[in-house]
Amino acid sequence: DTAVSQTPKYLVTQMGNDKSIKCEQNLGHDTMYWYKQDSKKFLKIMFSYNNKELIINETVPNRFSPKSPDKAHLNLHINSLELGDSAVYFCASSQDSGGRGAKNIQYFGAGTRLSVL
Amino acid sequence: AQSVTQLDSQVPVFEEAPVELRCNYSSSVSVYLFWYVQYPNQGLQLLLKYLSGSTLVKGINGFEAEFNKSQTSFHLRKPSVHISDTAEYFCAVRVGLNTGFQKLVFGTGTRLLVSP
Repeated sequence: DTAVSQTPKYLVTQMGNDKSIKCEQNLGHDTMYWYKQDSKKFLKIMFSYNNKELIINETVPNRFSPKSPDKAHLNLHINSLELGDSAVYFCASSQDSGGRGAKNIQYFGAGTRLSVL
Repeated sequence: AQSVTQLDSQVPVFEEAPVELRCNYSSSVSVYLFWYVQYPNQGLQLLLKYLSGSTLVKGINGFEAEFNKSQTSFHLRKPSVHISDTAEYFCAVRVGLNTGFQKLVFGTGTRLLVSP
């Protein structure tokens, strides 16, 4: 069973469209994340939710809106897609997001490759 | 701000040769350091981590890394690489936020290219 799963794996769409990426984890973790990996492979955090509450919101355009219906799911909706949104988006989860030790180790999904034409 | 530097964007090496991928971090507080590997068209997989204790940490696939506080480094090593080790390797540091939560800050990655 895949621990952190994302759908779809590939997403090709036109500029101006609205699209969603879904993420689910079956690890029983409390914290989930969205990362963006650009064409140069640079990875940067976008959002993080802990127990369905937003705890990290980096400098991301308002067109990106995460939603966490429950602890096991964190979806990413993108409005009015632009060429610069083309990237690989990774979902991750960890047991929690504070304190010390192994509970904050993050486990990643396989990624969603978004291509905006 | 805490950051991670991976000076080598690409490291070519022959099969069965040893390899070292360099990682330096900047931090004024306790650090938690990680190496992740990304095989072509796949997600990130945790290779190893340093949280506390012994400065030499062993990970999967025969990799190990040494935490050196005085040099602020966490270099990744393998004594003998295989073709299958060809991948992108990311060093990351866990950063504490004012909110009490934490996030990972990644280096720019090092592409390991193993040839026969």
